[in-house]
Amino acid sequence: DAKTTQPNSMESNEEEPVHLPCNHSTISGTDYIHWYRQLPSQGPEYVIHGLTSNVNNRMASLAIAEDRKSSTLILHRATLRDAAVYYCILRGAGSYQLTFGKGTKLSVIP
Amino acid sequence: DSGVTQTPKHLITATGQRVTLRCSPRSGDLSVYWYQQSLDQGLQFLIQYYNGEERAKGNILERFSAQQFPDLHSELNLSSLELGDSALYFCASSVGWEGNQPQHFGDGTRLSIL
Repeated sequence: DAKTTQPNSMESNEEEPVHLPCNHSTISGTDYIHWYRQLPSQGPEYVIHGLTSNVNNRMASLAIAEDRKSSTLILHRATLRDAAVYYCILRGAGSYQLTFGKGTKLSVIP
Repeated sequence: DSGVTQTPKHLITATGQRVTLRCSPRSGDLSVYWYQQSLDQGLQFLIQYYNGEERAKGNILERFSAQQFPDLHSELNLSSLELGDSALYFCASSVGWEGNQPQHFGDGTRLSIL
């Protein structure tokens, strides 16, 4: 699976939107863009995924660049519970596993 | 609650011993994955089963083995334990195995080797 690059850490104020960037310049045409997060002392939690079009669900939105070389996870209104490590992962159509990098540690300031 | 159940939550044992970690997938999920998370290596994929058959292997040591039973629960067996095996072990499940399938993780088993 292709590699992703994320900032090590980010901060956000509570109740403000958060944009978490991810670069994946070597993405292939069949790679899905997945986002997971891991809260302290918990297992990773699926957030959202997409292929080419922007996606929305109850947790977040995923904005995918037209050339697919980058994407942004958008949390519309950060809460203290959103403080976690966020992982951007590329997963090929026939790929079994998730390959986790170091992710972005998001801190939410009250 | 992801619907994936892992037992036990904590396990403390000594070097050289053998342990078994258990995972019950979400209802309806046929795929089970095992991951290891240590401080120095991060989250690493170990092995995957789909409907009872092994489908993929990652960085799994020969001392480790796993299986998925007809009721779809899975067990990860760790033997001849070493200090370096201390880690969090996560199980995940998904409906299928394709790249567009989300994986749902349990809360993990924390293994401490003394």
